[in-house]
Amino acid sequence: NAGVTQTPKFQVLKTGQSMTLQCAQDMNHEYMSWYRQDPGMGLRLIHYSVGAGITDQGEVPNGYNVSRSTTEDFPLRLLSAAPSQTSVYFCASSTDIWGETQYFGPGTRLLVL
Amino acid sequence: DAKTTQPTSMDCAEGRAANLPCNHSTISGNEYVYWYRQIHSQGPQYIIHGLKNNETNEMASLIITEDRKSSTLILPHATLRDTAVYYCIVPRPSNTGKLIFGQGTTLQVKP
Repeated sequence: NAGVTQTPKFQVLKTGQSMTLQCAQDMNHEYMSWYRQDPGMGLRLIHYSVGAGITDQGEVPNGYNVSRSTTEDFPLRLLSAAPSQTSVYFCASSTDIWGETQYFGPGTRLLVL
Repeated sequence: DAKTTQPTSMDCAEGRAANLPCNHSTISGNEYVYWYRQIHSQGPQYIIHGLKNNETNEMASLIITEDRKSSTLILPHATLRDTAVYYCIVPRPSNTGKLIFGQGTTLQVKP
């Protein structure tokens, strides 16, 4: 199993540009989530999904959209990037529907100029 | 999530046991204690979890006190690769997906 994969590893955007961060898992996990981590801080939950077609907001959802059309994929969309969205983004999937035992991807480093 | 309190930082000599404490005095009877770690620049890694009995896996042991108000994560033979931030988390069962990663304990394993 490849586990949780994320692409790209690093991205530079200009303010106002849009992009999609990709996340995929091959463990057939129903639960998936997106976090952001700012320098020197803990992780904050952006959005999560308990299965295909079901998504919900986390702590910091503003400026981000998600969809879950398949069990394997959970993309995160930035509609109009802002410098405040400069961060490291981690995707995770979980063996349980409550998302307590989560397996994380390697992260995407995003810089918004 | 139930509030957890961890020391900000700890040092451990390579090859020795690392004992990382966590206080969770407001834990409820059906809430588990989870431990994750984050090695620099990597995604967090699940380590272990438990309810009230001691638990052991290939990575670590988890000791939970009888009153469940505190726990200790034990890395039996710490290596330099165990240098990381360790997070003790008590997810509230009704808060689906909302793992709260606090500041954790920075463990520095020294040669």
